[in-house]
Amino acid sequence: EAGVAQSPRYKIIEKRQSVAFWCNPISGHATLYWYQQILGQGPKLLIQFQNNGVVDDSQLPKDRFSAERLKGVDSTLKIQPAKLEDSAVYLCASSIDRSSYEQYFGPGTRLTVT
Amino acid sequence: AQKVTQAQTEISVVEKEDVTLDCVYETRDTTYYLFWYKQPPSGELVFLIRRNSFDEQNEISGRYSWNFQKSTSSFNFTITASQVVDSAVYFCALKGSGGSNYKLTFGKGTLLTVNP
Repeated sequence: EAGVAQSPRYKIIEKRQSVAFWCNPISGHATLYWYQQILGQGPKLLIQFQNNGVVDDSQLPKDRFSAERLKGVDSTLKIQPAKLEDSAVYLCASSIDRSSYEQYFGPGTRLTVT
Repeated sequence: AQKVTQAQTEISVVEKEDVTLDCVYETRDTTYYLFWYKQPPSGELVFLIRRNSFDEQNEISGRYSWNFQKSTSSFNFTITASQVVDSAVYFCALKGSGGSNYKLTFGKGTLLTVNP
């Protein structure tokens, strides 16, 4: 069974530029999560999708971050414009459904904003 | 609000030593779930274990063991006879059952370095 795929693995941009990350969850998983992991901290949930609907985006900085999951499969997370403090690893995870205990994580995208 | 505290930021041991990673949690939920994840240098979080709040039995899996004590709100993780491949960041996490507590709340992680 293929795991959660993410791309790109690394991205370096200048502040005020825009960037997008892509995630392909495990086939058949209805729930998809985006986490932000700042260096030295644990992952923090940004947004959770159930199929193509948003379940929780309370910690997503909506003035600059946006995410979508069209067709309930792949998802894209965008930052526009980026700030220095957005430098982090962005992890995507998926689970069978929102009541499932286990989340399967992708390798993450390491973003550096200069 | 939920909270997970991993007081040990970094631990360094020599191969074959035993090492215990501490985790203390806070929640008002009576039903909750505790997790340990491993994050190797490749970056992917790897699930290790889940415990339910109503099951305080300790668990052993090979060289890994977990000690869950509700009385002290702790869920500690011990690696016996550590190996270099155990080097990683280890995260303790908590998932509640009420309101917004259903989200996974992670501690800040403990960086374990096992030296040959």
